[in-house]
Amino acid sequence: LAKTTQPISMDSYEGQEVNITCSHNNIATNDYITWYQQFPSQGPRFIIQGYKTKVTNEVASLFIPADRKSSTLSLPRVSLSDTAVYYCLVGDADKLIFGTGTRLQVFP
Amino acid sequence: DAGVIQSPRHEVTEMGQEVTLRCKPISGHDYLFWYRQTMMRGLELLIYFNNNVPIDDSGMPEDRFSAKMPNASFSTLKIQPSEPRDSAVYFCATTMRVDTQYFGPGTRLTVL
Repeated sequence: LAKTTQPISMDSYEGQEVNITCSHNNIATNDYITWYQQFPSQGPRFIIQGYKTKVTNEVASLFIPADRKSSTLSLPRVSLSDTAVYYCLVGDADKLIFGTGTRLQVFP
Repeated sequence: DAGVIQSPRHEVTEMGQEVTLRCKPISGHDYLFWYRQTMMRGLELLIYFNNNVPIDDSGMPEDRFSAKMPNASFSTLKIQPSEPRDSAVYFCATTMRVDTQYFGPGTRLTVL
């Protein structure tokens, strides 16, 4: 399973765009890139998944360069309710390995 | 669908007691995962099932932990005997494809 590296924490203000980058240098050909969000006292929640280029849904966008060795989760115009831990996971195996995630704090 | 259902939501017990955590998966999901989350160790995969069969239990910390899935709509995680270091939030997650799991609300276990 490919190891991922992401910042431990990030701060932002309401209304700003937040970009969280994840490094996964040894990503395999069959691996997908998946992001989860976890609020305090709740289980992680699937946000978005991609293989290459760009994926967008109602919550976020995921940018993946051609070499796929990194990916960037983009949250447009964050609000206080986006304060959470964001996990980047890479793999096509039978189990997910959650890292420490990025703790995003949004301030008013 | 009600989502993944876990019970109890909170459990407080004394060291040495048996603890049973329960999970009802989303209907149609054939994968079921048990995780444990602590501040120190983060989110750890304990065991997972596919079509009610345990596939990988390498994350189960020791023999005090056991998990069963007697049918497609129910799974249990049992700790016997429980110890204070077992205190954590235990999550159940289910899915039809491994990389997009749906997590339950978790059971917060406190062992005194």
